[in-house]
Amino acid sequence: EVQLLESGGGLVQPGGSLRLSCAASGFTFTTYGMTWVRQFPGKGLEWVSAMTGNAASTWYADSVKGRFTISRDNSKNTLYLQMNSLRAADTAVYYCAKGGGFSSSWALDYWGQGTLVTVSS
Amino acid sequence: QSALTQPPSASGSPGQSVTISCTGTSSDVGGFNYVSWYQHHPGKAPKLMIYEVSKRPSGVPDRFSGSKSGNTASLTVSGLQADDEADYYCSSYAGSNNFAVFGGGTKLTVL
Repeated sequence: EVQLLESGGGLVQPGGSLRLSCAASGFTFTTYGMTWVRQFPGKGLEWVSAMTGNAASTWYADSVKGRFTISRDNSKNTLYLQMNSLRAADTAVYYCAKGGGFSSSWALDYWGQGTLVTVSS
Repeated sequence: QSALTQPPSASGSPGQSVTISCTGTSSDVGGFNYVSWYQHHPGKAPKLMIYEVSKRPSGVPDRFSGSKSGNTASLTVSGLQADDEADYYCSSYAGSNNFAVFGGGTKLTVL
């Protein structure tokens, strides 16, 4: 059974940093691209960042380029999202999802339950 | 990275069919066959319903179907059931410069 468990969310002040983690199990992690998606309080979804299984390619939304960094540790079956210079507009539930990239036809076939990031003073 | 356009709401009675549209541009929906659809019940993880415009993952009922014409993709839910009531989001690859985009979401109500 595929499981994705996000952690690391919380309350942070504007300008601060957080690192999200996503522990994956139930599939061969190194084979698949992985993606972070966020859902804003108004319910809209946004692709945040994606990375291929071998970490050779990455993609970022314009809204986070230069501030967020996606990475993965295939030895630990874990995906990360380092978020710096956080803004109020980054407040959202962050989902980790399996897929993303051409090998999965840009489809996300499993999602975690999400972790809430709140940026506020 | 502009969002794809979906109607905010749709509804139908049990047993009926409903179609949700997703309009983009030639740079996303119209330019690639990488359209997917997701069902989201609040408080639960989103679920992939359709990928590559019209393919269903294993376990998704054939009551759900997808199609595309030009810059508009569509999700049709036939034989509506109470559990189909949820938010539905479309998504499309948008090219190497624009990554990927979601639609704004459609709340499907089963009357």
